[in-house]
Amino acid sequence: NAGVTQTPKFQVLKTGQSMTLQCAQDMNHEYMSWYRQDPGMGLRLIHYSVGAGITDQGEVPNGYNVSRSTTEDFPLRLLSAAPSQTSVYFCASRHHEGQLNTEAFFGQGTRLTVV
Amino acid sequence: RKEVEQDPGPFNVPEGATVAFNCTYSNSASQSFFWYRQDCRKEPKLLMSVYSSGNEDGRFTAQLNRASQYISLLIRDSKLSDSATYLCVVKGDQAGTALIFGKGTTLSVSS
Repeated sequence: NAGVTQTPKFQVLKTGQSMTLQCAQDMNHEYMSWYRQDPGMGLRLIHYSVGAGITDQGEVPNGYNVSRSTTEDFPLRLLSAAPSQTSVYFCASRHHEGQLNTEAFFGQGTRLTVV
Repeated sequence: RKEVEQDPGPFNVPEGATVAFNCTYSNSASQSFFWYRQDCRKEPKLLMSVYSSGNEDGRFTAQLNRASQYISLLIRDSKLSDSATYLCVVKGDQAGTALIFGKGTTLSVSS
């Protein structure tokens, strides 16, 4: 069982560069989300999606874009990287409401450094 | 006020000790509650859901007090392997609402 697969695991970017963090899940989960985790700040929601074609902003969406063209994939795009985006990024997925098991499964994380 | 608040610790305890973590949440409409565990440099993983009647899983007991908007986690007979950060997680009552994480409480169990 692959679960939630996140790539890359590590990335160093220069200020102003763009990149896409990939996230794929094979559990047929409707709900997918992206979090960033910073020391002393905990996990903060960036964007989320309740199904293919539907996305919405979380607590800290500025500087990030997402799309959800398929149920399986939910990429996160950094349009113009800034040092403030240095963080650990986690993708998560779970079943939507009404399902018996709404446990959230996380990818292994992407450690991003912007210099 | 932060939506989910936890004492960050660290809690440093010897093996065999009993330790309790507390968490408060601000949204009275919240309906689902969880404890996640996160090991150093790893992803969070579900430890246990928290039910209104309280629930137990081996050495772990979770309690919910809706009136006080308070959640607790009790770990009995601590093991070295329990050393981790414990995240209190709350979800709202509406469809599609995100999981809101506390900043976590760090536990270190020593021999």
